[in-house]
Amino acid sequence: IVLTQSPGTLSLSPGERATLSCRASQTVNNNFLAWYQQKPGQVPRLLIYGAFRRATGIPDRFSGSGSGTDFTLTISRLEAGDFAVYYCQQYGSSPRFSFGPGTKVDIK
Amino acid sequence: EVQLVESGGGLVQPGGSLRLSCSASGFSFRSYVMHWVRQAPGKGLEYVSTIHGDGTNIYYADSVKGRFTISRDNSENTLFLQMSSLRVEDTAVYYCVKDVTGWGAFDYWGQGTLVTVSS
Repeated sequence: IVLTQSPGTLSLSPGERATLSCRASQTVNNNFLAWYQQKPGQVPRLLIYGAFRRATGIPDRFSGSGSGTDFTLTISRLEAGDFAVYYCQQYGSSPRFSFGPGTKVDIK
Repeated sequence: EVQLVESGGGLVQPGGSLRLSCSASGFSFRSYVMHWVRQAPGKGLEYVSTIHGDGTNIYYADSVKGRFTISRDNSENTLFLQMSSLRVEDTAVYYCVKDVTGWGAFDYWGQGTLVTVSS
């Protein structure tokens, strides 16, 4: 499965809503789709797994949705610490695991 | 507190070998699937390899299959990645990652160890 993320870069202001897309070339089995946030110089942090389940400690302004081949990460109101690169990742079909290329959310 | 500490990275010539280690603590290591994920400088995340808790199920990315070997020592709570026939394109930070049981997601990441393949 190949994951495509759009847009490549999203320029927004604090307080705005961010909508990030992840599209799979084939159905993601059991909606095993996760989202990660990575800030410069830091390790990735798990935000969402199973398409919509928030990981421990993740604020509810982060939400995941979608199924099959189309998935979305929504950040309802951007805060200063949310400007980062976001990756989607699937588990299941060959290759067993794969990541999307990432979407950079930067300050407008 | 879950902790994953990688070691073993460094500079190696093309065609050379290197063995990475990841020391785990704060959870029942033998009960969890573990992974290696890498990130080339300035690039995105790339999946490398997976090993199940009892070591019976192992997977590799096509890019490393036949060159890398994942293993684990549950008595020492340690994950390994033996890398051979290294290529310039294997240059990356290598992360040791813990699995979210049953979901195929990665919830805890080590700080990573840098492998540089260069002549």
